[in-house]
Amino acid sequence: AQSVSQHNHHVILSEAASLELGCNYSYGGTVNLFWYVQYPGQHLQLLLKYFSGDPLVKGIKGFEAEFIKSKFSFNLRKPSVQWSDTAEYFCAVNRPPGTYKYIFGTGTRLKVLA
Amino acid sequence: DTGVSQDPRHKITKRGQNVTFRCDPISEHNRLYWYRQTLGQGPEFLTYFQNEAQLEKSRLLSDRFSAERPKGSFSTLEIQRTEQGDSAMYLCASSSDSGGDTQYFGPGTRLTVL
Repeated sequence: AQSVSQHNHHVILSEAASLELGCNYSYGGTVNLFWYVQYPGQHLQLLLKYFSGDPLVKGIKGFEAEFIKSKFSFNLRKPSVQWSDTAEYFCAVNRPPGTYKYIFGTGTRLKVLA
Repeated sequence: DTGVSQDPRHKITKRGQNVTFRCDPISEHNRLYWYRQTLGQGPEFLTYFQNEAQLEKSRLLSDRFSAERPKGSFSTLEIQRTEQGDSAMYLCASSSDSGGDTQYFGPGTRLTVL
């Protein structure tokens, strides 16, 4: 079945540690890729997105992600996390113009220890 | 731009009752989406509208669920004869072609069916 996989369900890091969250998708063809973040008690917010062009995309709050087409991956990275990055992170895919709906991964819950 | 708003934020109902949720998208966004999120999972697509036309529905949307967007602005999601398995967070999102079809999410309506 077509899907989006996030292999890390829970991640615990100390402040200043580097972060990499995995995201793999199983769709062929052209896709748009997104990372969303949900801070405690808040709604989903866009971190970054990839539509085309440079496969290394930069988002807000120092996050970046790399699209590797051959690996069907779109991993999220941050060189040095802060306590305020504690949140749940979701990878999502859509495939316009055939369909605009997002397919989400199950999410990764990140806890950063001060 | 006031963002996507949803009402109510919380709804507790008894099994068998009908409930209706409202979503107000970002002004002039022509696409509106409904998702459902249960604990430990990513959001799952339910349905989406382009203007007033409902263009896609998930298999998750049983015949007890109905969604409308009568004037191409706000949308309602109704669940008839609620079941305990309907307990979830119901998320609304909107997007536009000019925004590269990036979806902006509302805060959600948390439904609890007793």
